Amino acid sequence: AQSVTQLGSHVSVSEGALVLLRCNYSSSVPPYLFWYVQYPNQGLQLLLKYTTGATLVKGINGFEAEFKKSETSFHLTKPSAHMSDAAEYFCAVTRPSGAGSYQLTFGKGTKLSVIP
Amino acid sequence: DGGITQSPKYLFRKEGQNVTLSCEQNLNHDAMYWYRQDPGQGLRLIYYSQIVNDFQKGDIAEGYSVSREKKESFPLTVTSAQKNPTAFYLCASSKTGYAFFGQGTRLTVV
Repeated sequence: AQSVTQLGSHVSVSEGALVLLRCNYSSSVPPYLFWYVQYPNQGLQLLLKYTTGATLVKGINGFEAEFKKSETSFHLTKPSAHMSDAAEYFCAVTRPSGAGSYQLTFGKGTKLSVIP
Repeated sequence: DGGITQSPKYLFRKEGQNVTLSCEQNLNHDAMYWYRQDPGQGLRLIYYSQIVNDFQKGDIAEGYSVSREKKESFPLTVTSAQKNPTAFYLCASSKTGYAFFGQGTRLTVV
């Protein structure tokens, strides 16, 4: 079984401040980890992903995340928030479940507000 | 361009009616998924399909039905048995573990 916990359903930051969105996961096998972003009334867009290799991954729009196996975490950061970053962010974990298929599990999401 | 197309973007349903949400992809992905999204509850899996002519129930399948007659298409029917269908519905497809999403359909019961 696998699960994803996002700490904080709503995070507010000032424009130009550091963005930190927290994600912890549980998985019985090495996971693949993802962050998605969703703007109002739209689908989810992939921000970044970790599968294997370098544990610090960079994504679009200046976001990055670090896979920390010992802490079972995959927190999302951005050094300086922009107004356009206001959206909802979802952390997700997946693992192979046999015959080339994958089981994908999402966190409940964190809504990011950016204060001018 | 490859992608996933959901239609319609907005849908209104009367009490007791069945409605079908369309999802088409041209990414050549084997796996397709339907999620329901309600405020504060994240994404909940309704049905998924790993291959044509086969699909499995997700966490909240009651009141929904699907078919997978073609690799490209995975329509979702919201039946009258679904007592609270007002929500945002997202379709996704996947080949190597991470999902590509459509733009969603917002269903409202009137």
